[in-house]
Amino acid sequence: TQLLEQSPQFLSIQEGENLTVYCNSSSVFSSLQWYRQEPGEGPVLLVTVVTGGEVKKLKRLTFQFGDARKDSSLHITAAQPGDTGLYLCAGGIYNQGGKLIFGQGTELSVKP
Amino acid sequence: DAMVIQNPRYQVTQFGKPVTLSCSQTLNHNVMYWYQQKSSQAPKLLFHYYDKDFNNEADTPDNFQSRRPNTSFCFLDIRSPGLGDAAMYLCATSRVPYSNQPQHFGDGTRLSIL
Repeated sequence: TQLLEQSPQFLSIQEGENLTVYCNSSSVFSSLQWYRQEPGEGPVLLVTVVTGGEVKKLKRLTFQFGDARKDSSLHITAAQPGDTGLYLCAGGIYNQGGKLIFGQGTELSVKP
Repeated sequence: DAMVIQNPRYQVTQFGKPVTLSCSQTLNHNVMYWYQQKSSQAPKLLFHYYDKDFNNEADTPDNFQSRRPNTSFCFLDIRSPGLGDAAMYLCATSRVPYSNQPQHFGDGTRLSIL
């Protein structure tokens, strides 16, 4: 069974701080997607990384896919209250028709 | 705006009483997915349709079934809901069934069992 371990599960920080969320597995993934989910809403895609070692930036968010395609990280610089939400990583499985394996999520709270 | 719409947003049913959740999409995507998400847990894929081809996950209970009468609509039927089936149910779509394709999610239906 392929699993994605996401850490930390909960994170409460002050506005302006930096943070990193990790997503780790013993399995190799064809791609890694990061989603953000707000209470009462569905997940919304932030980024997809597909190449080992790939780094993508989205404003204050930096996403990295590990060289071996088994892990990923999300770094947020100068967090703002609007960043509050549940962050989910999801790994793509080779040859399984678009199936994603989700991590259990990191619940981020950014206090003003 | 093109989107994925789930109805109802909240559903309350009685233990053992069949319930149907609805999902519609205006994206004209070929693939539709149903996930179950319990509190503080990862979304868990139940099944998906690629066009009319149905793909069931091995560990999806027999209690859960799905119908896709056309490209736009997909339904989740729970034949005899138990207390353990209380959860958020998420519908998602993607254009093609490749793992690097983004999935577009609806806002979910929160199911409560009395």
